[in-house]
Amino acid sequence: DQQVKQNSPSLSVQEGRISILNCDYTNSMFDYFLWYKKYPAEGPTFLISISSIKDKNEDGRFTVFLNKSAKHLSLHIVPSQPGDSAVYFCAATSGAGSYQLTFGKGTKLSVIP
Amino acid sequence: DSGVTQTPKHLITATGQRVTLRCSPRSGDLSVYWYQQSLDQGLQFLIQYYNGEERAKGNILERFSAQQFPDLHSELNLSSLELGDSALYFCASSPQVGGDYGYTFGSGTRLTVV
Repeated sequence: DQQVKQNSPSLSVQEGRISILNCDYTNSMFDYFLWYKKYPAEGPTFLISISSIKDKNEDGRFTVFLNKSAKHLSLHIVPSQPGDSAVYFCAATSGAGSYQLTFGKGTKLSVIP
Repeated sequence: DSGVTQTPKHLITATGQRVTLRCSPRSGDLSVYWYQQSLDQGLQFLIQYYNGEERAKGNILERFSAQQFPDLHSELNLSSLELGDSALYFCASSPQVGGDYGYTFGSGTRLTVV
């Protein structure tokens, strides 16, 4: 039972355009969501997060949107740069307790120069 | 360098064997988490330690065990290895048991069971 789903295994975007990565979740107890970026041969790196009390969080070129009623979140990267090419993981946690993260399978983003 | 050190980076071993993966958390971090990433899978939570004590368990097999030592480094022991245990094993650390959700991950240990 996959509680966090990233249905697009890959995405290609032209440099300078917007990249939109999507994530759906099924567990209503999740109240905090994170995006991680992973380059080959490296561990995941924290990118941006959002609490369930918000519907948007912005950090530079990165914006995360949360739609609680649809149990859907998305990561927008504007403008996309070749250095953004990586695997992006969506993760969620219920907060209370151990703070373990439940990850999606990831989306490989390729930004084409 | 994230500050979380995992050794070894690569490990090749035969079925039925036992291996130990090591993790040194970022300086000052008390929590250590272990995750497994199999082919085409997301990261699966295995176990968490906080200041030497087990805090939470995920889908960790009985053949697997872990511990966190007084110096806060952690070891993940995998025994009676099977082909399906081949995966990337990541360690992550955070300052507290919770509150700071931005884990810092190590670069992982790639385990290949042949």
